[in-house]
Amino acid sequence: TQLLEQSPQFLSIQEGENLTVYCNSSSVFSSLQWYRQEPGEGPVLLVTVVTGGEVKKLKRLTFQFGDARKDSSLHITAAQPGDTGLYLCAGRYNFNKFYFGSGTKLNVKP
Amino acid sequence: GAGVSQTPSNKVTEKGKYVELRCDPISGHTALYWYRQSLGQGPEFLIYFQGTGAADDSGLPNDRFFAVRPEGSVSTLKIQRTERGDSAVYLCASSLSSGGSDTQYFGPGTRLTVL
Repeated sequence: TQLLEQSPQFLSIQEGENLTVYCNSSSVFSSLQWYRQEPGEGPVLLVTVVTGGEVKKLKRLTFQFGDARKDSSLHITAAQPGDTGLYLCAGRYNFNKFYFGSGTKLNVKP
Repeated sequence: GAGVSQTPSNKVTEKGKYVELRCDPISGHTALYWYRQSLGQGPEFLIYFQGTGAADDSGLPNDRFFAVRPEGSVSTLKIQRTERGDSAVYLCASSLSSGGSDTQYFGPGTRLTVL
């Protein structure tokens, strides 16, 4: 059972396009993290958002935490082939327990 | 410095057998997590250690699964009487402390296949 629903599940776009990935839950999280995972490797943390309404930017990536701390979005501007990978959101529910979404598989074609 | 390492990288076993999966966390990291990732899914929390003790084992699916961390460093995940449904990638992560806000560093995982 996944507390976090991610959409879309798959996304295939051309280099230079913009995209948004969504992470939704009916539960409130104390913080939410976004990871990127490549085949054969473990997830790598991109960002942690803590405050409702918080927006963080990491180069071409913009992360937003919903006001009610139940949802988040990841927006990528001018996607590049190097952005290809599995994007995962993870909500911190209890002090040290993290629930992951099922992921969005992004393919950026040159 | 060295990251989190996991051995073996791949393990193929037969239904009913016993397996051990090992995790070497980053030196000095007191918190250690085990997750299971099935095909097409995100990681699923199994157990969390703070030092030598299992602070939260609520994610272990049943009593066939057990994990230890006797000296507060290396951890071993043990699965008895393996079933085909146990096939997955088992990920280990460590973080500097139990603060929750500390970054979890993941290993590459052990791919377990139960025939």
